[in-house]
Amino acid sequence: ELKVEQNPLFLSMQEGKNYTIYCNYSTTSDRLYWYRQDPGKSLESLFVLLSNGAVKQEGRLMASLDTKARLSTLHITAAVHDLSATYFCAVVGTGTASKLTFGTGTRLQVTL
Amino acid sequence: DGGITQSPKYLFRKEGQNVTLSCEQNLNHDAMYWYRQDPGQGLRLIYYSQIVNDFQKGDIAEGYSVSREKKESFPLTVTSAQKNPTAFYLCASRELAGPYGYTFGSGTRLTVV
Repeated sequence: ELKVEQNPLFLSMQEGKNYTIYCNYSTTSDRLYWYRQDPGKSLESLFVLLSNGAVKQEGRLMASLDTKARLSTLHITAAVHDLSATYFCAVVGTGTASKLTFGTGTRLQVTL
Repeated sequence: DGGITQSPKYLFRKEGQNVTLSCEQNLNHDAMYWYRQDPGQGLRLIYYSQIVNDFQKGDIAEGYSVSREKKESFPLTVTSAQKNPTAFYLCASRELAGPYGYTFGSGTRLTVV
């Protein structure tokens, strides 16, 4: 059974600081996704990572994938208040008919 | 514009009542999914369908039922057998053979009163 773990679960950081969110998964994966969710809202797609060593960047967010370690990271550079949200990683396990398995989420709070 | 429409946005259910959540997509996507989200938690898969007239149970299917009579529609019924239905429900879809992105609806918040 595929399990996806994120840490930390909650992250409070000051504007201008850097930090990394970690996503570990337990079985082989076809692809990995990162999503953002604002309170009471749906999910906003951030990145999809398809292969080992994949790195994608958008603004202050950069995601990477290490399939050998079964680890993805979401790095935040020089955080700003607008990045405050909950971030989820989600994994499609190999041979699972494209079912997404989600991590528990990391609630990010960027303080002024 | 193409997308997924979920309705209603808010739904209140009395004890012992069945309610149906609507999910419609005009993206011509093959696969559709229903997820449940509880406060402070990730999303858990309830049911999914990859083709019309076929669907499979996800991780938490007990107390729920679905149908897929049309490609664009995948309604979810929360039955009285679901003892703790209060949650945020999200519908998603994707094209199986094409790009890898999932499109999510705006969600339905269900509350038991």
